Amino acid sequence: AQTVTQSQPEMSVQEAETVTLSCTYDTSESDYYLFWYKQPPSRQMILVIRQEAYKQQNATENRFSVNFQKAAKSFSLKISDSQLGDAAMYFCAYRSALETSGSRLTFGEGTQLTVNP
Amino acid sequence: GAVVSQHPSRVICKSGTSVKIECRSLDFQATTMFWYRQFPKQSLMLMATSNEGSKATYEQGVEKDKFLINHASLTLSTLTVTSAHPEDSSFYICSAPRAQGSTEAFFGQGTRLTVV
Repeated sequence: AQTVTQSQPEMSVQEAETVTLSCTYDTSESDYYLFWYKQPPSRQMILVIRQEAYKQQNATENRFSVNFQKAAKSFSLKISDSQLGDAAMYFCAYRSALETSGSRLTFGEGTQLTVNP
Repeated sequence: GAVVSQHPSRVICKSGTSVKIECRSLDFQATTMFWYRQFPKQSLMLMATSNEGSKATYEQGVEKDKFLINHASLTLSTLTVTSAHPEDSSFYICSAPRAQGSTEAFFGQGTRLTVV
């Protein structure tokens, strides 16, 4: 079974600064997908960024980028120019490429991000 | 974009009663839907996979007789918490893939269940 670990229960950052959230995972599979989801106080899960394991290039979405290290099984999220609206719980998630029935996800424990004005 | 609608957003029920939570895909068909449970300040734990036209697949440790799942159509899955107890109080979230085999998952707004 796959596991996802987020070792930072809480992180804080000053507005406009950069913060990196850590995530490691364990799998014996070679093909899979990794995600970062944001859960604001509304509890609605919002996809932040997605990475395909077969792609060496790190995914980027505007101010959000990842550092994907496949050999190290590490998948960190960097948020640049942090904004107050970025404050939320962030979850790292894993999905096997073998899961043909849909989007079965394994989540990490989450990191609560606080953005200070 | 695709939307998954979950209802109700909040429900309070008495111990021993049952409560039904609905998860609908609004502009796409979902042959599979997933039900997660989230305790305060904790992660989402998959409870079961709901399959249209067939039995749900439950994760280890999840009581299938307590958490009844019905996927009656391609746009609706329901989770019924039967004989609810205070320890069933939690946040329940459903999700559905955009299409069969899609890597993109859409989540419902979640349901906060409080059993008193």
